[in-house]
Amino acid sequence: RKEVEQDPGPFNVPEGATVAFNCTYSNSASQSFFWYRQDCRKEPKLLMSVYSSGNEDGRFTAQLNRASQYISLLIRDSKLSDSATYLCVVRDSGTYKYIFGTGTRLKVLA
Amino acid sequence: DVKVTQSSRYLVKRTGEKVFLECVQDMDHENMFWYRQDPGLGLRLIYFSYDVKMKEKGDIPEGYSVSREKKERFSLILESASTNQTSMYLCASNTGTANQPQHFGDGTRLSIL
Repeated sequence: RKEVEQDPGPFNVPEGATVAFNCTYSNSASQSFFWYRQDCRKEPKLLMSVYSSGNEDGRFTAQLNRASQYISLLIRDSKLSDSATYLCVVRDSGTYKYIFGTGTRLKVLA
Repeated sequence: DVKVTQSSRYLVKRTGEKVFLECVQDMDHENMFWYRQDPGLGLRLIYFSYDVKMKEKGDIPEGYSVSREKKERFSLILESASTNQTSMYLCASNTGTANQPQHFGDGTRLSIL
C-alpha cells in the first residue's frame, strides 16, 4: 500500500461546480498535512495547510479525518483557472520527510 | 515571499558528464531538499540538508551527491550522468520549525542524451 494515495482523475467539472478530492495516508503518526497545486510543467505551489479542525481559504476548504486517515479538499464555484493537478503532502511526526501523493488532475470546463 | 531559485530551467547534457544543479533560497531556511519528479511516480526525495555541511540520504540517492557549504545554497551533483536521470528536478526549502510547508523553486528539466 502506498504511503499517500490519491485518485489520479482527471475530474472534469463545469465552471461553477463544486468538486472534492480525498487523499488517504497510511501512517497514523503523520503530523502535518498540506495541499499543493501544480500546473503543467511547473513547480508545486502551496495551496493550503490542513489543520485538525479544518480550515477554509476563500473557495477552498480542507478537512482532516484522523480516525479514517484521510484529508480532503473541497473547491466551490470552480473557475477555469483552477484546472491543475492537486498534490496531497503528509509529513510524519519527528521526521523531516514529506511524502507526496501522485496528484489528482482537475479540468474545469467552460 | 519566499524565493527559491534554481540555476537553470532547462539543461541538456551527455551520458557520463558531471552535472551540477544549483539552488539558492533567500529566507535563511535551515532545511533544503532535492527531489525528482517523474510521470506516475510523483516527487521522490534524493537528498535533504538540515544545516550547513549536513546531509541525509533520501529515498533515491544512488548516482547523486550534494553539497551545502553555505546556508542559502544547496547543490545537487550527478557524478556521471545516465539517461535514466532524465527528469524534472525540484529544490525546496523550509524552516526547521515543525509543521512548516516546503517552498519550491521553478524546477530544472534535465535531459541526458
